[in-house]
Amino acid sequence: AQSVTQLGSHVSVSEGALVLLRCNYSSSVPPYLFWYVQYPNQGLQLLLKYTSAATLVKGINGFEAEFKKSETSFHLTKPSAHMSDAAEYFCAVSEERAGTALIFGKGTTLSVSS
Amino acid sequence: DGGITQSPKYLFRKEGQNVTLSCEQNLNHDAMYWYRQDPGQGLRLIYYSQIVNDFQKGDIAEGYSVSREKKESFPLTVTSAQKNPTAFYLCASSQTGGPDTQYFGPGTRLTVL
Repeated sequence: AQSVTQLGSHVSVSEGALVLLRCNYSSSVPPYLFWYVQYPNQGLQLLLKYTSAATLVKGINGFEAEFKKSETSFHLTKPSAHMSDAAEYFCAVSEERAGTALIFGKGTTLSVSS
Repeated sequence: DGGITQSPKYLFRKEGQNVTLSCEQNLNHDAMYWYRQDPGQGLRLIYYSQIVNDFQKGDIAEGYSVSREKKESFPLTVTSAQKNPTAFYLCASSQTGGPDTQYFGPGTRLTVL
């Protein structure tokens, strides 16, 4: 069965610092992996998606994530945090077969201080 | 503009009442989903539909019902059997079921008084 674990429910960084949000997955077949961002009282917006092409995936707003099969990880990074990055981030996994929905992690709230 | 709309944004309900949350999409997507979001719990799947007139239960379907009579619409009814319905409800759609990108609506916050 698929599952997603996001390490750290809350991460705090200073403006300009590196952002690192951790995601580990469990899947019996090659997975599809997603990172979504949610601002308060809004829906989710796709940041980036891994679909078995390049292992380093670039997304919107300067975010990127690297798929590491040996570590079953898909951590999200951004070199320099901006105040506008403060939000909740969700990692999700799906498998390449019909009838499957996304399985979401419990989310990580990112705080950015000036 | 293409997208997903949910209404109402805020909904208040008395205990024992059924309420229906609306979800409409004009993206011509085949698949639609309903999620429930509680603080610290992430998103949990309630129901999903891969095609008109067909839907499947998700992880927490008890106390909820859905219909999919039209491709663009996937309403969710929260029944009086749902023991703790206060939550943020998110609707999503994707081109097909499976690993496609899901696009989300703005959500409906339901509060039971």
